[in-house]
Amino acid sequence: EAGVAQSPRYKIIEKRQSVAFWCNPISGHATLYWYQQILGQGPKLLIQFQNNGVVDDSQLPKDRFSAERLKGVDSTLKIQPAKLEDSAVYLCASSQRVAGEQYFGPGTRLTVT
Amino acid sequence: QKEVEQNSGPLSVPEGAIASLNCTYSDRVSQSFFWYRQYSGKSPELIMSIYSNGDKEDGRFTAQLNKASQYVSLLIRDSQPSDSATYLCAVTLNQAGTALIFGKGTTLSVSS
Repeated sequence: EAGVAQSPRYKIIEKRQSVAFWCNPISGHATLYWYQQILGQGPKLLIQFQNNGVVDDSQLPKDRFSAERLKGVDSTLKIQPAKLEDSAVYLCASSQRVAGEQYFGPGTRLTVT
Repeated sequence: QKEVEQNSGPLSVPEGAIASLNCTYSDRVSQSFFWYRQYSGKSPELIMSIYSNGDKEDGRFTAQLNKASQYVSLLIRDSQPSDSATYLCAVTLNQAGTALIFGKGTTLSVSS
């Protein structure tokens, strides 16, 4: 069974530029999560989808971050404009059910200069 | 504010010893508990899940849960150098709209 796929794996941008990350969850997993992990910290939830609907985006900085999951499968997370403090690893995870076991993709390491 | 607390470590144990990792959580409604292992530069990997009080064993790993004390632990028996990693404790509520809340992780170092 294929795991969670993410791309790109690495991205370097200048502040005020925009960037987008892509995630393809494990087949059949209805719940998809985007987390931000800053060095030395545990992952922090940005947004949670159930199929193509948003369940929780309370910690998403909506003035600069946006995410969508249009067909209930793939998802895209966008940052525009980026700030220095957005430098982090962006992790996508999926699970079969809400509050179930979550499986993470390899992550995208973003550096904002 | 729901919180998950872990000692950051590092926790150093010799090869073959038992490593004990501890985690406390603040929200009494928490129902699902997970341990993830994260190697440097890699993403978290699920190693154990536990949902009810008591012990759950899987190979060299044992998770222990005490909901009354709001405490969950992970024991690693016969520790190997390959177990050297950061171990993340995570909890969630069995309600729609609640994702994992992670601790900051405990760094384990197993010396040969």
